[in-house]
Amino acid sequence: AQSVAQPEDQVNVAEGNPLTVKCTYSVSGNPYLFWYVQYPNRGLQFLLKYITGDNLVKGSYGFEAEFNKSQTSFHLKKPSALVSDSALYFCAVRPYYNQGGKLIFGQGTELSVKP
Amino acid sequence: NAGVTQTPKFQVLKTGQSMTLQCAQDMNHNSMYWYRQDPGMGLRLIYYSASEGTTDKGEVPNGYNVSRLNKREFSLRLESAAPSQTSVYFCASSIMGGQTKNEQFFGPGTRLTVL
Repeated sequence: AQSVAQPEDQVNVAEGNPLTVKCTYSVSGNPYLFWYVQYPNRGLQFLLKYITGDNLVKGSYGFEAEFNKSQTSFHLKKPSALVSDSALYFCAVRPYYNQGGKLIFGQGTELSVKP
Repeated sequence: NAGVTQTPKFQVLKTGQSMTLQCAQDMNHNSMYWYRQDPGMGLRLIYYSASEGTTDKGEVPNGYNVSRLNKREFSLRLESAAPSQTSVYFCASSIMGGQTKNEQFFGPGTRLTVL
C-alpha cells in the first residue's frame, strides 16, 4: 500500500539550532515528493518539491530537503531555526503514475522552536 | 489574485442537516481537490476533479458529493451530516493533475462541527 510516514508527532528545537523533520514513504516507482507548512488556523503552504535531479532541494524560507532513494526518505532541514518556523509540517507524495495528481499526506509533525 | 477561496469559514450543523461548501480559484487551474483534516491523520482526499467536467472519488468519499460547476468552482455537499464529519475541510487546486509535477495550492479551510 502507498503510504507516507512522519515518525515524530512533535519536534522541539532551540532558536538558532539546526532542525530536521523526518519523512519516509512507501510508493512503487519514482514518486514526486512535497513539503507543506501549516500555520495555526491557516491553509497549507507549499515549501518545496523533489521531482528529479539533485537530491538536495532548496525551498522557501531557507528550508531544504534531502531525497534519499535507498532509504525512501525525504527529510526537511533548516540550518538555523527561527521561532517563526513553529508550525505543523506535512510531507506528501504523488506516485508518478497517479491519475488526477492526487497527493498522499503524512500525519504531520508539529515543530516548536523556543527562544 | 485571491488564489483559492472557501466559504464559509465556520459552520455548525445538527445531525441530518445538509450543506454545501464552496470553493473557487482564480489561477486558471485545471485540477481541484477536497480534503478533510483530522488530528493525527494528516489530510485525506475526499474527491477530486482532474479537469472541468470530471470528478472522481478519493480516499474517504462516503457521505459526500461534489460538483465541478465550471473551471473555477468546485463544491462539496454533505447531504445528511453526521458527527463523524466534524472536521476541517480544505479545497486545493493545481495547474494540471495527472502525471505532472505541479504543487497544489490550498484555501484557508472551513471548520465544520456537526452536533
